[in-house]
Amino acid sequence: DADVTQTPRNRITKTGKRIMLECSQTKGHDRMYWYRQDPGLGLRLIYYSFDVKDINKGEISDGYSVSRQAQAKFSLSLESAIPNQTALYFCATSDLAGERKFFGPGTRLTVL
Amino acid sequence: DQQVKQNSPSLSVQEGRISILNCDYTNSMFDYFLWYKKYPAEGPTFLISISSIKDKNEDGRFTVFLNKSAKHLSLHIVPSQPGDSAVYFCAASYNFGNEKLTFGTGTRLTIIP
Repeated sequence: DADVTQTPRNRITKTGKRIMLECSQTKGHDRMYWYRQDPGLGLRLIYYSFDVKDINKGEISDGYSVSRQAQAKFSLSLESAIPNQTALYFCATSDLAGERKFFGPGTRLTVL
Repeated sequence: DQQVKQNSPSLSVQEGRISILNCDYTNSMFDYFLWYKKYPAEGPTFLISISSIKDKNEDGRFTVFLNKSAKHLSLHIVPSQPGDSAVYFCAASYNFGNEKLTFGTGTRLTIIP
């Protein structure tokens, strides 16, 4: 079984809709992250969490919110989706070192 | 402003030959660098890293070279194998333990049998 799982794997939604992307991990890591990947821009950090009570904004947090429901679960929400949020979204975890991250398989989100 | 740049979007190499992937950075504060490998429909996986106190780090067929004065790093794969066909991202951070990795845009490596 995969250590970091993401649901859904693909999602098509309409402008203005609320959508939630979910991430679960079995690695036992405290640190979890949400990234988005756009063509020509690499991966960019949206939010990260050191533990259930510690949530931090990344470089592109506007338009997104997160919830850390448990050590193993970290969800990303788009309260009102817009077309420029169409991207590939990755959840990741890491141990205390931080740099060496373990990524989930990604969620491809399309906002029409 | 792209602080980590991978100027070659794609690269094709014959099986058995050396693959060299390049990465340039502009921020002199970066002092820890990583390479990630990504297959289609999968998330990136960590490949190899290097601290700025070193100029080379080797792990099996993979070697990363760092030239701080040129703000340049490269990943060498020798010999290249078909399973190495993937997208490679370089990434950088300010110091070990920093959460905020800055990623390059990726290079798609294709190994030709």
